[in-house]
Amino acid sequence: DGGITQSPKYLFRKEGQNVTLSCEQNLNHDAMYWYRQDPGQGLRLIYYSQIVNDFQKGDIAEGYSVSREKKESFPLTVTSAQKNPTAFYLCASSLAGRINEQYFGPGTRLTVT
Amino acid sequence: DAKTTQPNSMESNEEEPVHLPCNHSTISGTDYIHWYRQLPSQGPEYVIHGLTSNVNNRMASLAIAEDRKSSTLILHRATLRDAAVYYCILREGDNAGNMLTFGGGTRLMVKP
Repeated sequence: DGGITQSPKYLFRKEGQNVTLSCEQNLNHDAMYWYRQDPGQGLRLIYYSQIVNDFQKGDIAEGYSVSREKKESFPLTVTSAQKNPTAFYLCASSLAGRINEQYFGPGTRLTVT
Repeated sequence: DAKTTQPNSMESNEEEPVHLPCNHSTISGTDYIHWYRQLPSQGPEYVIHGLTSNVNNRMASLAIAEDRKSSTLILHRATLRDAAVYYCILREGDNAGNMLTFGGGTRLMVKP
């Protein structure tokens, strides 16, 4: 089946550790995105990539890093520099272009203590 | 940036129509109106989008005001599975990156 997978669904880490969240898509989409959602809030854009080996910062990129070595994969690393990393992280993908719908993965809930 | 305003929450009875309003008074001529919804503990899913004319698909209808300063998402018969947060989003005219800017959305509660 085509779609977006994120793993794991729940992730627990100690403060000060870097952690990498996985996002894979088999929809042959060029563009991929990472969003963060805090309880009761809308989504905020962290990073996005429109093509392999290229990505841009979103509204809240500080403390995060990404790579886009393959079209299918867009992993997000939450670094120890991110002050409030506990959140729900959502990955999405879309065809290139301004009006194409985004397809979202099921999300990873990260808890850092 | 063009912004949208939605009520925080709405209630509906099961099997009745639901009209979810969205105001976007600063919309520009090339902005598309998109709706997504997010079920509890899931990622958002696309519902519908439009530019000027009303639109229908299998999930919902989108009614756009003639001046485009407001729109309404219509669910023709609400079911319990339609309980979700509904986001009205403008795709900015110069947004070459295809990003979505989410506001707070409307939490729809459906009563049996």
